[in-house]
Amino acid sequence: KAGVTQTPRYLIKTRGQQVTLSCSPISGHRSVSWYQQTPGQGLQFLFEYFSETQRNKGNFPGRFSGRQFSNSRSEMNVSTLELGDSALYLCASSLAVDRNYGYTFGSGTRLTVV
Amino acid sequence: SQQGEEDPQALSIQEGENATMNCSYKTSINNLQWYRQNSGRGLVHLILIRSNEREKHSGRLRVTLDTSKKSSSLLITASRAADTASYFCATAGGTSYGKLTFGQGTILTVHP
Repeated sequence: KAGVTQTPRYLIKTRGQQVTLSCSPISGHRSVSWYQQTPGQGLQFLFEYFSETQRNKGNFPGRFSGRQFSNSRSEMNVSTLELGDSALYLCASSLAVDRNYGYTFGSGTRLTVV
Repeated sequence: SQQGEEDPQALSIQEGENATMNCSYKTSINNLQWYRQNSGRGLVHLILIRSNEREKHSGRLRVTLDTSKKSSSLLITASRAADTASYFCATAGGTSYGKLTFGQGTILTVHP
């Protein structure tokens, strides 16, 4: 079956712009999480959605937002981009049938802010 | 901020040798998971061990968990060049839905 698909793979944006990243989870997976990975901070949790509801949010400013659609596809948006937002953004999906479940990650979107 | 620390930060071995990576964490957990990442790509789930389990095997992987010491180890036996990657431990705990807290990772290099 198809894996987690993230689009686009690469993005270059200018400071002050906004960006939208997309994630299509594995069919049947209702939980979608987003992570930011940078060399300095490592992997940091952004937020998680389940059945179109945000259940959990990490410690990121309000410029970072997301949503999930009825087909479980998710988007994240970053407004007023800063140089420090340059990172690999990873999406992960899971069946989430109980708390003990693993995640399947997409290949990520590499965002460069110039 | 990261939940845990991984040790060593980098490990270089020859093909056929065993590789051991350690992970420590700070708070109570539901489970601990190990992931592999190749060259800044997506993470691949390797194994999950629940808080009430002490050891788990999957192919050439062996994971142990000591909740009293808040630590885990990942052993890869008979390493191959294809095992070269970054390895991360991640914890899931409490009511933190969908949230994994990752360690900084161990960079493993296996020389042919």
